[in-house]
Amino acid sequence: QVQLVESGGGVVQPGRSLRLSCEASKFNFNLFGMHWVRQAPGKGLEWVAVIWFDETKTYYADSVKGRFTISRDNSKNTLYLHMTNLRPDDSAVYYCARGGVQLWIPDFWGQGSLVTVSS
Amino acid sequence: QSALTQPASVSGSPGQSITISCTGTSSDIGLYDLVSWYQQFPGKAPKLIIYEVSKWPSGITDRFSGSKSGTTASLTISGLQPEDEADYFCCSLADNRVVFGGGTKLYVL
Repeated sequence: QVQLVESGGGVVQPGRSLRLSCEASKFNFNLFGMHWVRQAPGKGLEWVAVIWFDETKTYYADSVKGRFTISRDNSKNTLYLHMTNLRPDDSAVYYCARGGVQLWIPDFWGQGSLVTVSS
Repeated sequence: QSALTQPASVSGSPGQSITISCTGTSSDIGLYDLVSWYQQFPGKAPKLIIYEVSKWPSGITDRFSGSKSGTTASLTISGLQPEDEADYFCCSLADNRVVFGGGTKLYVL
């Protein structure tokens, strides 16, 4: 069964940076696009970004464009989300999710990593 | 405000059927057959239950079914069971981004 394990979350002050990681296993990571999706406490899901299997394309939500960068290291089966200039409204559980057979449909999700932006 | 509109809550009794609607626009649901639905329990990650409007991932019960008409997608759960009580989110492709509905809390009374 596909496994995705996020790490790197924590409490960070506004304006600071943080990098999340997502380690993938039990599937051919280098053949699938990957997403980051976040969920503020008690709120709905908000898509953050997607990266193509070969890193040739990336797309972002308007709310994070210019501040967040999605990347991957296929040799390490790992997805990243580098977040800069963090704001309190970036506080959320961040999930990594595999783009399925159809890239734009996340199929398997990790358990999430909580990011809290607070002074 | 979410890009796709879902009712905040729906309820039903065990054995009944319920339908959750998901309204979008001609730029998302109306344009692509890439609607998916997710089930989420408190404190857990979302789980894909319907993809490409009406297809089932492996291991998902056919009590869940999906459809689409114009700019509105629907999830129907038949033969409601207490364990179906959860949050349900719709999702669609829209112009090189993914959009979600605000979520619907299903109560099984």
